[in-house]
Amino acid sequence: RKEVEQDPGPFNVPEGATVAFNCTYSNSASQSFFWYRQDCRKEPKLLMSVYSSGNEDGRFTAQLNRASQYISLLIRDSKLSDSATYLCVVNQAGTALIFGKGTTLSVSS
Amino acid sequence: DTGVSQNPRHKITKRGQNVTFRCDPISEHNRLYWYRQTLGQGPEFLTYFQNEAQLEKSRLLSDRFSAERPKGSFSTLEIQRTEQGDSAMYLCASGAGFEDYGYTFGSGTRLTVV
Repeated sequence: RKEVEQDPGPFNVPEGATVAFNCTYSNSASQSFFWYRQDCRKEPKLLMSVYSSGNEDGRFTAQLNRASQYISLLIRDSKLSDSATYLCVVNQAGTALIFGKGTTLSVSS
Repeated sequence: DTGVSQNPRHKITKRGQNVTFRCDPISEHNRLYWYRQTLGQGPEFLTYFQNEAQLEKSRLLSDRFSAERPKGSFSTLEIQRTEQGDSAMYLCASGAGFEDYGYTFGSGTRLTVV
């Protein structure tokens, strides 16, 4: 079983749509959680950290369910510029970040 | 110094040759990480340093791979006797050692082995 699993997509949505990505992780000792965004042929960039209480950054909402070992990212009012691959990332204390394969989003006009 | 710098950006080499990549992290970051990414996959962890000490190596890092971080500043990743399967994007990232803040990645070195 992969440590971090994501639906690879692609998700094709029109502008203005709401889209949700899900991710599960296998190691219950994981302590830190993130969503990274990666544009085509570019490096990954931190989108947001994910906290147990859930957190929001503008149109983006991240949630964590430790009991189910499940992380989600919700994007509201999708923009063309949101088209990218979204990487779910987990970390245990003292080790490196573990990345999922990523979910590809394509927003069209 | 506003980011993580990697050189070269692209490298094409013949199978069997040795290659070396360099990474200059954000100066105040004490942790440096190497990842490899192939098409359709997320970045896969290779190794990381805290200052000059190499603290962890992935099973992906075969004997042909070696990484160094002399004096805890820049790092090099060397691949000896390259194979076609080594073709990938090699990403370097640095962090301040506080996992809550994630890492900052460089633009990567794209290796093509022909």
